[in-house]
Amino acid sequence: IAGITQAPTSQILAAGRRMTLRCTQDMRHNAMYWYRQDLGLGLRLIHYSNTAGTTGKGEVPDGYSVSRANTDDFPLTLASAVPSQTSVYFCATGGGGETDTQYFGPGTRLTVL
Amino acid sequence: GQNIDQPTEMTATEGAIVQINCTYQTSGFNGLFWYQQHAGEAPTFLSYNVLDGLEEKGRFSSFLSRSKGYSYLLLKELQMKDSASYLCAVRDSNYQLIWGAGTKLIIKP
Repeated sequence: IAGITQAPTSQILAAGRRMTLRCTQDMRHNAMYWYRQDLGLGLRLIHYSNTAGTTGKGEVPDGYSVSRANTDDFPLTLASAVPSQTSVYFCATGGGGETDTQYFGPGTRLTVL
Repeated sequence: GQNIDQPTEMTATEGAIVQINCTYQTSGFNGLFWYQQHAGEAPTFLSYNVLDGLEEKGRFSSFLSRSKGYSYLLLKELQMKDSASYLCAVRDSNYQLIWGAGTKLIIKP
């Protein structure tokens, strides 16, 4: 693994189905984030985790849940998908240090029909 | 509320210079970031400013004025590969990043 991986790359999902987006990092960063990116809007934070075992809600958490059992993995679950959750989802890690720069995975393009 | 404003789209010519502005109103300020995002790809980090002034990195420079809530990204000697969206983000008092919608930069030969 090099950096941050996300799976699947893309997915078409029927409304009402449950879906888990996977994110794995090998950068040993403590902080991890889930964003969604929609046309004409900035990246919006869904959930975050400052360290393994802790999670927090971002700007748009409704309909999503996360867990952080270990440092490397931060899955995002849609319990019952709705069409408004059609978006591109990015996982990111926080590098810490002076700038605490965020680094992004390649993204998952999700379409809910 | 918190707000980050950037122009939606800009066009420039290969070899020229372009300045992309960003104004912000946030609850607190703990640094400003610029990211580049090519179509269909992830955002990648370009620059970070936390103190007033200019930070230079090769062809790219970023400026910050905290008193004016203003930053700009300056791209020199434009190349076709610079065609991308440029995202401005501010870290607020909760240490979360607030993102602008991005500026799509189109480079013409």
